[in-house]
Amino acid sequence: QVQMVESGGGLVKPGGSLRLSCAASGFTFSDYFVNWMRQAPGRGLEWISSISSSSLYIHYADSVKGRFTISRDNAKNSLYLQMNSLRAEDTAVYYCARDNGDYVNDAFDIWGQGTMVTVSS
Amino acid sequence: QSALAQPASVSGTPGQSITISCTGTSSDVGAYNFVSWYQQHPGRAPKLMIYDVSNRPSGVSNRFSGSKSGSTASLTISGLQAEDEADYYCASYTTTNTLVFGGGTKLTVL
Repeated sequence: QVQMVESGGGLVKPGGSLRLSCAASGFTFSDYFVNWMRQAPGRGLEWISSISSSSLYIHYADSVKGRFTISRDNAKNSLYLQMNSLRAEDTAVYYCARDNGDYVNDAFDIWGQGTMVTVSS
Repeated sequence: QSALAQPASVSGTPGQSITISCTGTSSDVGAYNFVSWYQQHPGRAPKLMIYDVSNRPSGVSNRFSGSKSGSTASLTISGLQAEDEADYYCASYTTTNTLVFGGGTKLTVL
């Protein structure tokens, strides 16, 4: 079935790095914009990054710009998020999600189950 | 990019209708008809309920509807049911090709 599955979360010290992965299946991954969102414990959703189908267009939220890098491998149906210089405020559940393929990258119809990232000494 | 403004909580009784507002600016909600709404139950991933202001994805109940006026979008749930109790988030495409979410609204079905 159509699904996205995140992995790679865990406990990391402030200033450390972590790489998240998101495996897509059940659809033609290379046709879609994909995104990373996060949700800090007890808080709301935050969009953090998007990447177009061919990786031509990449965007970041100001909160992660210069520290996080989004990438994808269409041959492997996979999305990645390299997170460097991690801070306590990056602690959150991280979700990958697919745009629904409408006009712009604005509506996310398939979400993963999330992976928890904890930044603490 | 500041979060879109949503009420922290709304409540209603079964069968009632409720409306959740989502206020942005001319750089997001007011700029395009690219507003979406998500439902999130505790411990679960968000679910797309409305996209492009008023469109429902396949499988979403027609009790859910969306609208927009100026820089304020709204989600209306009619015939409220117990399973509608959840957190609801709006989101908007922005003039810088990014996305911004609202702070979320907790819906309680009394």
